[in-house]
Amino acid sequence: EPEVTQTPSHQVTQMGQEVILRCVPISNHLYFYWYRQILGQKVEFLVSFYNNEISEKSEIFDDQFSVERPDGSNFTLKIRSTKLEDSAMYFCASSVAAKNIQYFGAGTRLSVL
Amino acid sequence: SQQGEEDPQALSIQEGENATMNCSYKTSINNLQWYRQNSGRGLVHLILIRSNEREKHSGRLRVTLDTSKKSSSLLITASRAADTASYFCATEGMTTDSWGKLQFGAGTQVVVTP
Repeated sequence: EPEVTQTPSHQVTQMGQEVILRCVPISNHLYFYWYRQILGQKVEFLVSFYNNEISEKSEIFDDQFSVERPDGSNFTLKIRSTKLEDSAMYFCASSVAAKNIQYFGAGTRLSVL
Repeated sequence: SQQGEEDPQALSIQEGENATMNCSYKTSINNLQWYRQNSGRGLVHLILIRSNEREKHSGRLRVTLDTSKKSSSLLITASRAADTASYFCATEGMTTDSWGKLQFGAGTQVVVTP
């Protein structure tokens, strides 16, 4: 069964460093998303992406964040200068269309020291 | 906010029993989705129910939706130890700026003991 894959599974970085989280969405999906879950808290929407541009973004998704689809398969989330409070599990998701099932990857645990 | 809020926060049952959890939300929705998350792992999609649907089944899962009360329930019948997980509801709004923007609740932690 097709699945969303995320790498790495765990990323440790120093505060102020840039990180890139990678995702390979399901191949025939057109909509891509990033969510995050701070330990013990709700899953929060960050951004949605369609047709090579951001569709929607939340207040969390500030200028430190960016997304890119550099080729036909990868979807990346970049955090330019990480802060301690960016420590969280980051989930990538994809769907074939809007208002459809979103399939999630296993997540990348980001630890900012 | 149209976030879903689950009730109860935690549920402990014996294998073979049924588990019921509820989700309430605040504003009109296009659909409501239920997900399962095993500790520290990814989100597994269970069921999507649209605003014009009242009930859906998938295996041992039954989901209802009452748009007049802005609430949904997830029933797991004949529970197994492997059903131990956190269960989340997530809503997707009606307006175009809310499409794709799932709003998650805090979840119900279900523990099924053998």
